[in-house]
Amino acid sequence: KNEVEQSPQNLTAQEGEFITINCSYSVGISALHWLQQHPGGGIVSLFMLSSGKKKHGRLIATINIQEKHSSLHITASHPRDSAVYICAVRVSPGAGGSEKLVFGKGTKLTVNP
Amino acid sequence: NAGVTQTPKFRILKIGQSMTLQCTQDMNHNYMYWYRQDPGMGLKLIYYSVGAGITDKGEVPNGYNVSRSTTEDFPLRLELAAPSQTSVYFCASSYFRLNQPQHFGDGTRLSIL
Repeated sequence: KNEVEQSPQNLTAQEGEFITINCSYSVGISALHWLQQHPGGGIVSLFMLSSGKKKHGRLIATINIQEKHSSLHITASHPRDSAVYICAVRVSPGAGGSEKLVFGKGTKLTVNP
Repeated sequence: NAGVTQTPKFRILKIGQSMTLQCTQDMNHNYMYWYRQDPGMGLKLIYYSVGAGITDKGEVPNGYNVSRSTTEDFPLRLELAAPSQTSVYFCASSYFRLNQPQHFGDGTRLSIL
């Protein structure tokens, strides 16, 4: 079982719809990142959060540490939101280890006009 | 405002050839990272550096080498290219290690034939 699971793998929406992308993880973490990978390949960091909720424009990220779950919401979706959204968790170090980032496989979002 | 710059953007190599993927950042970040992204998989850390002169292995270092002679530059070297190294390579940087968002380059798409 992967340490980070994202759902759905693929998501198609109509412009204006409310989008939710989910991320579940099975390990202890100290923070969670959401990233956006553009169709051209470039990766941009959207959020880093360790509790509660963060909002930036039409994007909202939430995290529930007890349930080991995070969601990324997009309100009033637009075709320019079409991208791959990647969840990454900062895994707490084990004995003798060090912190590391573990990445999910990504959710491909397509927003049609 | 260049951020993280990777060159080349695309490259095709023959098995056994060697090459260096270049990465430079102009944000005076201490930490730099090399990741590979295989189709349908999450990003995997190859090597990282905590500052000039200091490098360390990530999850998948075999077949690669790195150096960090300056704060700005973090080249990744493939000595004997193998088909398994066909991937998209991303360089990233951050001021602190994992408790800050990472800034990514646009990626290098490498094919080994």
